[in-house]
Amino acid sequence: EIVMTQSPATLSVSPGERATLSCRASQSVSSNLAWYQQKPGQAPRLLIYGASTRATGIPARFSGSGSGTEFTLTISSLQSEDFAVYYCQQYNNWPPGRYTFGQGTKLEIK
Amino acid sequence: EVQLVESGGGLVQPGRSLRLSCAASGFTFDDYAMHWVRQAPGKGLEWVSGISWNSGSIGYADSVKGRFTISRDNAKNSLYLQMNSLRAEDTALYYCAKDSSRWLLPVFDYWGQGTLVTVSS
Repeated sequence: EIVMTQSPATLSVSPGERATLSCRASQSVSSNLAWYQQKPGQAPRLLIYGASTRATGIPARFSGSGSGTEFTLTISSLQSEDFAVYYCQQYNNWPPGRYTFGQGTKLEIK
Repeated sequence: EVQLVESGGGLVQPGRSLRLSCAASGFTFDDYAMHWVRQAPGKGLEWVSGISWNSGSIGYADSVKGRFTISRDNAKNSLYLQMNSLRAEDTALYYCAKDSSRWLLPVFDYWGQGTLVTVSS
């Protein structure tokens, strides 16, 4: 099983500043990496897929980069609605049954 | 508007069974793979199972393999999860999630609000 490790566990950033979240895979997942945002009491929302493609309706301040084992989600200028938990997820494995999420990074207001 | 509405959760004793359902609307259901993803209270996300558009490709997490069965009825725009031999560690909020592809390429572009399963005596 591919293990996804996110860092840091908690990130404190002020509104208007840039946030950089990291995700590392225990082995290469190519660009088969997605990012999700989850707010309290809500279902997750897809932000990024293919490591760097924004999902429909996602603001341009969200960007993803990386390939292989190292990935980054950057939020260029934090808005109040961006404070949430962020998960990365790999979907590289075959046969079906090995799709794993990171443990999450909580982005909180500084 | 895409809508996914889960049902069937509840309190169940260890070793018993439960069947979850997900009613889909707002998209062509039989054009997409579908999945179940769960989240234990206060914990992260865990992919549980997925099924391709035509039920030809199915996958399970190791933690549920042999106990859970995923199925779909394209005529009814519905997804199901039959859960047998339930354990305390299966306690979670179970989300129905739409794949962005016909096949198991699990990018989950839409999610339901979840149904809570609690396994306890």
